Amino acid sequence: AQSVAQPEDQVNVAEGNPLTVKCTYSVSGNPYLFWYVQYPNRGLQFLLKYITGDNLVKGSYGFEAEFNKSQTSFHLKKPSALVSDSALYFCAVRAMGGYNFNKFYFGSGTKLNVKP
Amino acid sequence: KAGVTQTPRYLIKTRGQQVTLSCSPISGHRSVSWYQQTPGQGLQFLFEYFSETQRNKGNFPGRFSGRQFSNSRSEMNVSTLELGDSALYLCASRGDSSYEQYFGPGTRLTVT
Repeated sequence: AQSVAQPEDQVNVAEGNPLTVKCTYSVSGNPYLFWYVQYPNRGLQFLLKYITGDNLVKGSYGFEAEFNKSQTSFHLKKPSALVSDSALYFCAVRAMGGYNFNKFYFGSGTKLNVKP
Repeated sequence: KAGVTQTPRYLIKTRGQQVTLSCSPISGHRSVSWYQQTPGQGLQFLFEYFSETQRNKGNFPGRFSGRQFSNSRSEMNVSTLELGDSALYLCASRGDSSYEQYFGPGTRLTVT
């Protein structure tokens, strides 16, 4: 079965420190990978994507993500966290082969708390 | 460009009733997907429409249905509402040349 895992329900980090939000996936083929952020009572906002090429991709608000094909991981990172980064983060994978072609799969979400 | 819009934003219904939610995608986007978001189950895929045809479907009962119109606007309908249908319903659109989906603000449905 296709799946996306975000092993941490919550990540706590102090403002100014680096942050990492983890994501691993089990989706056949060479899927496209995404990160979204959700603020309270809002929809999901697109942050960044990996399609092909350089394993480190940069996105909005200073976020970046590292793709690791052998570990099927796509971890979200930021060198210096801000209090305003506190939100719910979702990893998503778009299947690009087989029966589930074009279907999006989402992780369960990780709540990021950045303390002043 | 205007973003994805969903109406209504909030809805309160009684068990057994039915409800229709509406989604207007970003102009030019032909793919519209619906998701149910609950605290316990996370984001669950309902269905995707493309050019008025259902292209993908999630594992939801037949009480959940949808359709897409020629202008790409989409509606989803839930009949015989149950308490467990209380959730945030999100709509997302994608352009033909886009890799990612763009989400609307959601409709918060409460079933009492």
